[in-house]
Amino acid sequence: EPEVTQTPSHQVTQMGQEVILRCVPISNHLYFYWYRQILGQKVEFLVSFYNNEISEKSEIFDDQFSVERPDGSNFTLKIRSTKLEDSAMYFCASSETRDRVSNEKLFFGSGTQLSVL
Amino acid sequence: AQKITQTQPGMFVQEKEAVTLDCTYDTSDPSYGLFWYKQPSSGEMIFLIYQGSYDQQNATEGRYSLNFQKARKSANLVISASQLGDSAMYFCAMREGRNRDDKIIFGKGTRLHILP
Repeated sequence: EPEVTQTPSHQVTQMGQEVILRCVPISNHLYFYWYRQILGQKVEFLVSFYNNEISEKSEIFDDQFSVERPDGSNFTLKIRSTKLEDSAMYFCASSETRDRVSNEKLFFGSGTQLSVL
Repeated sequence: AQKITQTQPGMFVQEKEAVTLDCTYDTSDPSYGLFWYKQPSSGEMIFLIYQGSYDQQNATEGRYSLNFQKARKSANLVISASQLGDSAMYFCAMREGRNRDDKIIFGKGTRLHILP
């Protein structure tokens, strides 16, 4: 089955540094998302992306965050100046294929665990 | 206000028994979708089952079924004949609206422990 791929699986960074989390969504999907999960807590929506622009973003997704689809395959989340509270598991997800049967669900990547020291 | 409420933070169930994980939701949109995801200890999010608000029948996927009670805004997940591998965190989630880019929001989850 096709899958969403995220790299790296773990990232450790110093507070104040920039990080880029990378995702390769499923190839014929059209809608892309970033979610995060702080340890032991619920999965929180960050941003949705469609047609090369942000569709919606949460209050978490402030000016320190940005997303980009630099080519036809990658979808990246950048945090410009990381804070301790950015430590979390970050999930990329994609949805919508031409197959109407499967077009409702989000396919998630296996996540990037970000640790800010 | 909470859009998705999962009232059971944790559950312990004997292997082979059926399990019901509770989920209630809050929306005024007539068009919405409800999802259940499983998150094992390895961390990935695994899609289990989907129910659309206009679907007439309860969704089923193998051992998973969704007990959809629209008037009560309830979408409980039922796992029949539980297995040790079912031990995981389970999240109920909802997407409001017809647009595919409408976000999915998650409940706080229920941690299920299957006992041998």
